[in-house]
Amino acid sequence: DTGVSQDPRHKITKRGQNVTFRCDPISEHNRLYWYRQTLGQGPEFLTYFQNEAQLEKSRLLSDRFSAERPKGSFSTLEIQRTEQGDSAMYLCASSPPTSGGANEQFFGPGTRLTVL
Amino acid sequence: GDSVTQMEGPVTLSEEAFLTINCTYTATGYPSLFWYVQYPGEGLQLLLKATKADDKGSNKGFEATYRKETTSFHLEKGSVQVSDSAVYFCALANTGGFKTIFGAGTRLFVKA
Repeated sequence: DTGVSQDPRHKITKRGQNVTFRCDPISEHNRLYWYRQTLGQGPEFLTYFQNEAQLEKSRLLSDRFSAERPKGSFSTLEIQRTEQGDSAMYLCASSPPTSGGANEQFFGPGTRLTVL
Repeated sequence: GDSVTQMEGPVTLSEEAFLTINCTYTATGYPSLFWYVQYPGEGLQLLLKATKADDKGSNKGFEATYRKETTSFHLEKGSVQVSDSAVYFCALANTGGFKTIFGAGTRLFVKA
């Protein structure tokens, strides 16, 4: 078990450019989540997949953001026409099928995005 | 909507001091409650959890009790170590839920 991995770890881009991040969850986990974390704040939920189905999107996720999980394994998060306000740490997490109502999530190291 | 409020930091303690980090929540239904920890340079990891009222979660000397009557889940440790220096996040997820709501985090510094 290598844990949740994210790529790249850091991304610097110019305003208006598109960026794409990748997340590889723990292999037996069917649930995958994306969060955004800004300095001094806790992670904010963006979206959630169960297998390949995207089951919820936060209102934080504007139409410039899109996420996919085409085969129920890795996921990508794309931000189009980046803005300076998109600068943040983007976190991916995964979890196994729920048991007992608890929903422990395993987090990756994050991708830090800086939009100049 | 659901929310989590935790005490602002930073909290600075000397080694072997007693730690309390307050956390209260607002939620519909019967959420599961969590404490996550983020050590310097590392990702978020689960510290402990409780899934129903009066449950006590514990790990690495840390404890927290799910108090439905006061909607609280305060984190405690009897004797902190320098290695406990980290940011601590209180969080909730509703029953069958997939979305976890996090507090803003409390940074803890422990001095030798």
